[in-house]
Amino acid sequence: KAGVTQTPRYLIKTRGQQVTLSCSPISGHRSVSWYQQTPGQGLQFLFEYFSETQRNKGNFPGRFSGRQFSNSRSEMNVSTLELGDSALYLCASSSPGSLGDTQYFGPGTRLTVL
Amino acid sequence: QQQVKQSPQSLIVQKGGIPIINCAYENTAFDYFPWYQQFPGKGPALLIAIRPDVSEKKEGRFTISFNKSAKQFSLHIMDSQPGDSATYFCAASSHAPLSGGGADGLTFGKGTHLIIQP
Repeated sequence: KAGVTQTPRYLIKTRGQQVTLSCSPISGHRSVSWYQQTPGQGLQFLFEYFSETQRNKGNFPGRFSGRQFSNSRSEMNVSTLELGDSALYLCASSSPGSLGDTQYFGPGTRLTVL
Repeated sequence: QQQVKQSPQSLIVQKGGIPIINCAYENTAFDYFPWYQQFPGKGPALLIAIRPDVSEKKEGRFTISFNKSAKQFSLHIMDSQPGDSATYFCAASSHAPLSGGGADGLTFGKGTHLIIQP
């Protein structure tokens, strides 16, 4: 099976802009979670989608949003970018019936905000 | 509030040695404890995971020891090799019912940068 894929791999934006990141989960996986990784804060949970519904949410401002499509692919959007949003954004998918236990991560999208 | 504390931040071990990475958690609702390995430029990859109903789990050269009463768990890497040099993260999650159902997101430790010297 192909792994989790994320596009684009690298992105450079300026403050105030918005950005959309894409994630394709492993075939058959219906849960998609998003994480932000920074040197200072480490890996932090953003939100999780299952069957096109946001099921869980971390402690991030409303500028961070996401959605999931009927084919389980997911997108996350960050509006009004701030310098502190520079990070590696990771997507993880998990298989149905596993209670979301085993999360398989993609390679991430490296976002740089100038 | 950091719910999963990981130590040490960095660790250097000679080839063949047994690096040990420790994690402590606060949330007693946590019931799933995975360890991830991350190489530069890559996403984290699941190494091994444990549930609190067992005290130890082995998979290949990797062993998790779990102490529920102390709310601590650790990763041991047997016969360590230079290729094991990476950043290791412990994590935890719970499956207590939330308003939306399902497991909550993984709470990660800050990571341990491990170097195995030849």
